[in-house]
Amino acid sequence: ILNVEQSPQSLHVQEGDSTNFTCSFPSSNFYALHWYRWETAKSPEALFVMTLNGDEKKKGRISATLNTKEGYSYLYIKGSQPEDSATYLCAQNSGNTPLVFGKGTRLSVIA
Amino acid sequence: DGGITQSPKYLFRKEGQNVTLSCEQNLNHDAMYWYRQDPGQGLRLIYYSQIVNDFQKGDIAEGYSVSREKKESFPLTVTSAQKNPTAFYLCASSLGDRWYGYTFGSGTRLTVV
Repeated sequence: ILNVEQSPQSLHVQEGDSTNFTCSFPSSNFYALHWYRWETAKSPEALFVMTLNGDEKKKGRISATLNTKEGYSYLYIKGSQPEDSATYLCAQNSGNTPLVFGKGTRLSVIA
Repeated sequence: DGGITQSPKYLFRKEGQNVTLSCEQNLNHDAMYWYRQDPGQGLRLIYYSQIVNDFQKGDIAEGYSVSREKKESFPLTVTSAQKNPTAFYLCASSLGDRWYGYTFGSGTRLTVV
């Protein structure tokens, strides 16, 4: 069974601060790495799907990097806003298998 | 609009009763999944189906059953054999290829009393 780890578990930042969090995963048999944002009372929403070592993806103020050789991905949020408050999930699959999720990082942005 | 619908949003059942959670999608996705979330835990896979009339057990399939008679529908039955059924259940679908993310429903919170 794959083991996907996320850190920190939770994070409080001030509005305007930039922040980042980590997803660690087994580097063997890597297939794809996904990031999702899950706001309270809503469905998880896909942010990025990354497949190649060295991939960098960006959506507005949010970006992500991928290192498949050492088994980690970083998610960055530049200039955090209260609407960024959510739980950020990462997930990995190896081969054509369903995603295995980490426990998430809960971000709270204080105005 | 295309999407994935789970119903009901909240469900209360007595201990020992079977209960079925609905999941319907109109995205023409081949693959569908059921995950369970408990406090302090990540999403854990119960069952998945990559094609109609076929499904596979996930990591925590004991006490659950599914069917996939139509591409659009993947209902989950929580049986009386499931020891701790109270949880939040999420259904998802995907095109089944690693390039695409999952689309999730809004979830069903099941409480067994």
